[in-house]
Order: sequence, then structure tokens, then C-alpha cells
Amino acid sequence: NAGVTQTPKFRILKIGQSMTLQCAQDMNHNYMYWYRQDPGMGLKLIYYSVGAGITDKGEVPNGYNVSRSTTEDFPLRLELAAPSQTSVYFCASSYNHNEQFFGPGTRLTVL
Amino acid sequence: QKEVEQDPGPLSVPEGAIVSLNCTYSNSAFQYFMWYRQYSRKGPELLMYTYSSGNKEDGRFTAQVDKSSKYISLFIRDSQPSDSATYLCAMSGIGFGNTGKLIFGQGTTLQVKP
Repeated sequence: NAGVTQTPKFRILKIGQSMTLQCAQDMNHNYMYWYRQDPGMGLKLIYYSVGAGITDKGEVPNGYNVSRSTTEDFPLRLELAAPSQTSVYFCASSYNHNEQFFGPGTRLTVL
Repeated sequence: QKEVEQDPGPLSVPEGAIVSLNCTYSNSAFQYFMWYRQYSRKGPELLMYTYSSGNKEDGRFTAQVDKSSKYISLFIRDSQPSDSATYLCAMSGIGFGNTGKLIFGQGTTLQVKP
């Protein structure tokens, strides 16, 4: 099992550009999550999904969008990148809605 | 007041020391308590998982939950340089519905010096 995979690992965007952060899991988990982690801070939930076709906002959803067309994939879309979105983004999945398994992260810089 | 409070440190100890990491919380609905370990430039990995109050031991690691005081702890015995990482507490419980959402502490950075 590859677990939770994320692409790309690093990305630099210009202000106003768009991009999609990819996340996939091969554990057949229903629950998937997107977090951002700023330096010295904990994890803040952006969006989450409890199953294919079902998504909902977390603590900091503004500036982001998600979709969940399959159990395996949960992409995160940034439409108009802003410097405030410079962060490390983690995708996670879980099977019993408590023990979450994390991907390696995507480091995003917006200049 | 944040739902979960955790001293960010950094905490520096000599190899072999006993380390105590702590979190306090305000939501009495929390029932599930976790500790994640995050190495530099890596994703968090689950270290300990506890339901409700009590202790749980796994090798050199012991997790304690005191729901009456809304206080959880992680103890590391015989600390090793390989334990140097950021430790995040996380919690969940009733009132979160069937979402699996976790509330994380800020994380405590630990350095174990050889």
C-alpha cells in the first residue's frame, strides 16, 4: 500500500494563478481531509469529505475548493492564489473517523 | 480561548531523560485523544490513541488522559535523539457528528541532545 500520496511536493505560484493539489489514498478510506500548517502552528482544517460526492467546509475554507468524485481522490483547488496561502498542505484519510493517516505534504509558496 | 492549548516549546532535554508533553482542552465532549509525531518536513504520524480517561502504554511511550481536569499528557521514557520531532495532540468526540474531524494543538517541538 502506498498509503496517502500527494503531488506536487513543492510549488511556487504567482499571485492570481490557480492550481490543484492532488491527493490519493489506496486504503479504501471513506473520510478524507485537507489541512494547512503554517510555521509554528498546528493543523487547520480546510475541507473534509465523508464519502464520494460529499464534501464540507472546515475551519479555513476561503480561497479553496474541493471535489470528491471517487473514494480514492480528493483534490484541493486554489483559484486565485494569494500570499496568505503560502503554507504546507497536508491531506489525510481515515477509516474509523478518528485515526487519520497523513500524506507527505505539499509546500506551496505564493509570490 | 482555544479549544486545545499546547505549549509550543521548544523543549530541549539530554538523551535518556523522561519527557512530559501536555495539552489542555476546554470542550468536555472530547472522548478520543491522540498524539501525533511529526518529523521535520514530513507528515504527522499517529503515535498514541486513547479513548476516554486512563493510561495507555506502548514501549517507551505512555499517554494519560484526565477528563476531570481536561488535561492529557504524553510521557517518553529513556528519550533518544530519534525522538526529536514536533508532537501534536489531537482530540475528537460527540458533537462532531459522523465527520471524523480532529482538533489539533499547536504542537510542541522536542529536541533530545546526545
